[in-house]
Amino acid sequence: KQEVTQIPAALSVPEGENLVLNCSFTDSAIYNLQWFRQDPGKGLTSLLLIQSSQREQTSGRLNASLDKSSGRSTLYIAASQPGDSATYLCASKEGSARQLTFGSGTQLTVLP
Amino acid sequence: DAGVIQSPRHEVTEMGQEVTLRCKPISGHNSLFWYRQTMMRGLELLIYFNNNVPIDDSGMPEDRFSAKMPNASFSTLKIQPSEPRDSAVYFCASSFLAGASGSTDTQYFGPGTRLTVL
Repeated sequence: KQEVTQIPAALSVPEGENLVLNCSFTDSAIYNLQWFRQDPGKGLTSLLLIQSSQREQTSGRLNASLDKSSGRSTLYIAASQPGDSATYLCASKEGSARQLTFGSGTQLTVLP
Repeated sequence: DAGVIQSPRHEVTEMGQEVTLRCKPISGHNSLFWYRQTMMRGLELLIYFNNNVPIDDSGMPEDRFSAKMPNASFSTLKIQPSEPRDSAVYFCASSFLAGASGSTDTQYFGPGTRLTVL
């Protein structure tokens, strides 16, 4: 059974810093890996999806990478802003299943 | 599109009562998912439907939980009888599954229903 782990559980940085969030998974036979953002009391918003054949995806200040062989993905946020404060979750889809296996998330706080 | 719509947004009920959560997926999507989020267990899939048919309900905690999708635009998750340990945020998500592998389908989440069972 797939297990997805995110470290650290919480991170606090000053505004303007570049930062990296980590995600690891035990089963490398994934179809894709997604990064989501969750604001307090809200649902999840999809940020980036990396297919198994891809190495990275970029959207604005966000860059997500995928290394299947090592079972790792990272989310890089450039020039962080207070508005980036939220919980970031990664999720993998493996095999022919349609469901996602989620990590427990990293709670990011960007201080002004 | 209005996105995935869930109702109610908040529900407070007493132990033993029946609770029904509702979801309207994004128009044109063919897959629908029900998740539960708690502090202790994080986000867990309860059940998902493809073309209105339940595909995997192995995440449903027990017989007190049931889900239906009578048509492509509506789904319900029912808990009967409810218990305090059912207190959580319940999310509905939908996606369009294109192709056999589904490697590119992104799930879109609703705002969730916060359930409190006293």
